[in-house]
Amino acid sequence: AQTVTQSQPEMSVQEAETVTLSCTYDTSESDYYLFWYKQPPSRQMILVIRQEAYKQQNATENRFSVNFQKAAKSFSLKISDSQLGDAAMYFCAYRSGIGSSYKLIFGSGTRLLVRP
Amino acid sequence: KAGVTQTPRYLIKTRGQQVTLSCSPISGHRSVSWYQQTPGQGLQFLFEYFSETQRNKGNFPGRFSGRQFSNSRSEMNVSTLELGDSALYLCASSLRTGARTGELFFGEGSRLTVL
Repeated sequence: AQTVTQSQPEMSVQEAETVTLSCTYDTSESDYYLFWYKQPPSRQMILVIRQEAYKQQNATENRFSVNFQKAAKSFSLKISDSQLGDAAMYFCAYRSGIGSSYKLIFGSGTRLLVRP
Repeated sequence: KAGVTQTPRYLIKTRGQQVTLSCSPISGHRSVSWYQQTPGQGLQFLFEYFSETQRNKGNFPGRFSGRQFSNSRSEMNVSTLELGDSALYLCASSLRTGARTGELFFGEGSRLTVL
């Protein structure tokens, strides 16, 4: 069975600084997808960034980028130029590339605090 | 374009009762998934529906059930409620065009409290 681990329950960053959230996963599959979701206090989960396992290039979306280390099964999220609006729970998630299910396996989450 | 709509947003029930939660996906989306979110267990997958058929089911007891209608709206039901069923229930929809990286769009959730 696949598992996703986020070892940082809470992180804090100064506004305009950079922060990295960690995520490791375990799987025996070679075809899969990895995601970072953001859940602000309003509770609606929003997709931040996605990574296909078959792609070697790390995904980037504006201030958000990932460091995907497939051999180490590591998938960290870097937030540059942190803004107050980045404060939220961040969840790392895994989806198998086998079959047609869109089922996500989530990590336990990291609460990001942004200091003004 | 309206997002994923979940009703009710908040509800309080007592042990032994049953509850039905509703989810209206984004227009055109045919796939709906449900997740349970609790402080202790985190986010756990409940079910996944596509074209009125359950495609996948999580590891939950039979008290948890769901269905999807022809208009893609979905409902989930929990019977014989237990205190541990108190949670935020999240619904997510997807276009599911066959694109392998189909994105899930989440609703704001239904907060269930069992007393």
